[in-house]
Amino acid sequence: ELKVEQNPLFLSMQEGKNYTIYCNYSTTSDRLYWYRQDPGKSLESLFVLLSNGAVKQEGRLMASLDTKARLSTLHITAAVHDLSATYFCAVDGNLGTYKYIFGTGTRLKVLA
Amino acid sequence: EAGVAQSPRYKIIEKRQSVAFWCNPISGHATLYWYQQILGQGPKLLIQFQNNGVVDDSQLPKDRFSAERLKGVDSTLKIQPAKLEDSAVYLCASSLDVWQGRRGSYNEQFFGPGTRLTVL
Repeated sequence: ELKVEQNPLFLSMQEGKNYTIYCNYSTTSDRLYWYRQDPGKSLESLFVLLSNGAVKQEGRLMASLDTKARLSTLHITAAVHDLSATYFCAVDGNLGTYKYIFGTGTRLKVLA
Repeated sequence: EAGVAQSPRYKIIEKRQSVAFWCNPISGHATLYWYQQILGQGPKLLIQFQNNGVVDDSQLPKDRFSAERLKGVDSTLKIQPAKLEDSAVYLCASSLDVWQGRRGSYNEQFFGPGTRLTVL
């Protein structure tokens, strides 16, 4: 059974600092997705990673995928308050059904 | 392009009552998903439709939950009777398969605003 773990679960950081969120998964997959969720809101798609070594960047966020290590990272550069949200990774179990298994989520709070 | 629509946005019911949620996916998206998101957790897939056929309902509590997708477009999710532990946000998502040639295909799921259910 595919399991997806994120760490840390909670992250409080100062504006201007850098940090990385980690997403580990337990079985082979080369399809990984990152989503953002603001309090009381739905999930917003951030990145789609589809191969080993894939790297995507949007503003202060950069996501990467290492399928051999079964690890994806979401790196935050020079954090700003607007990045405060919960970030989820989701892994497609490669079973041909496009079934996502979501991670536990990382609640990020950027302090001004 | 219009996103995934859901209604109602909020619902409060007593335990043992029934409730229904509605979802209208993005036009042209063949695959539709219902997720349950309990506070502080990631979404958990309840049921997945491809057009109007069920692909995966392995985590749907079938003694109380049911879902249908008539004509391969709109979908409804019903809970009858509701329990306290059903309090959660119910998210609908839809997706379009993207073909990558030799690398196969993938999909990207787009989520609706959700329905927050409180069972008292």
